[in-house]
Amino acid sequence: QVPLVQSGAEVKKPGSSVRVSCKTSGGTFRSYTISWVRQAPGQGLEWMGRIIPILDETDYAQKFQGRVTFIADKATGIAYMELNSLTSEDTALYYCARSLSTQTSCYFWGQGTLVTVSS
Amino acid sequence: EIVLTQSPGTLSLSPGDRATLSCRASQSVINNFVGWYQQKPGQAPRLLIYGASTRATGIPDRFSGSGSGTDFTLTISRLEPEDFAVYYCDQYGSSPWAFGQGTKVEIK
Repeated sequence: QVPLVQSGAEVKKPGSSVRVSCKTSGGTFRSYTISWVRQAPGQGLEWMGRIIPILDETDYAQKFQGRVTFIADKATGIAYMELNSLTSEDTALYYCARSLSTQTSCYFWGQGTLVTVSS
Repeated sequence: EIVLTQSPGTLSLSPGDRATLSCRASQSVINNFVGWYQQKPGQAPRLLIYGASTRATGIPDRFSGSGSGTDFTLTISRLEPEDFAVYYCDQYGSSPWAFGQGTKVEIK
């Protein structure tokens, strides 16, 4: 069973918002941490932040503070990442990843969701 | 905020060679919470090592991690053809978590 399945590719206009979903296998978060990581074309990995669903705690990278929101629907086991005020620099592959235990960060990864921002 | 610097940027080696990748943190990493990831073109990253030295499930024992404090190393004892890829370290001991910029291991 695939641990994390993400929603499909998106094309957005500058200034708009995007929501990417990440479904956990079994439909439950247990005590996992869900991280969001993005990768611009040809670039490295960039940590955007994380959410601990069982505690309803979020931790956002300063770069995205005020522009990104992480949501975890405990009833369905689906995590969401919403990014607002999109620019062309937000064009990237967006990954969700989850921990295995408190000793790990990104143990399992989703397949990635390509977000393209273009007028 | 901890900044991770990986070196070298590119490593040109042959199959069978030993690869040594470095990840240096700007401050001591709490609990040595450092991970190493492998990424191949068109694929999501794959966790190799967590907690600086523990192999993730299914990772071959030619991959090993070591280090503590601010200096961490990923060693691939004998490179297999499938090991040529980009490798990233991360730290998750303190917020904000962060990734290094990556080391590309290419075929010489």
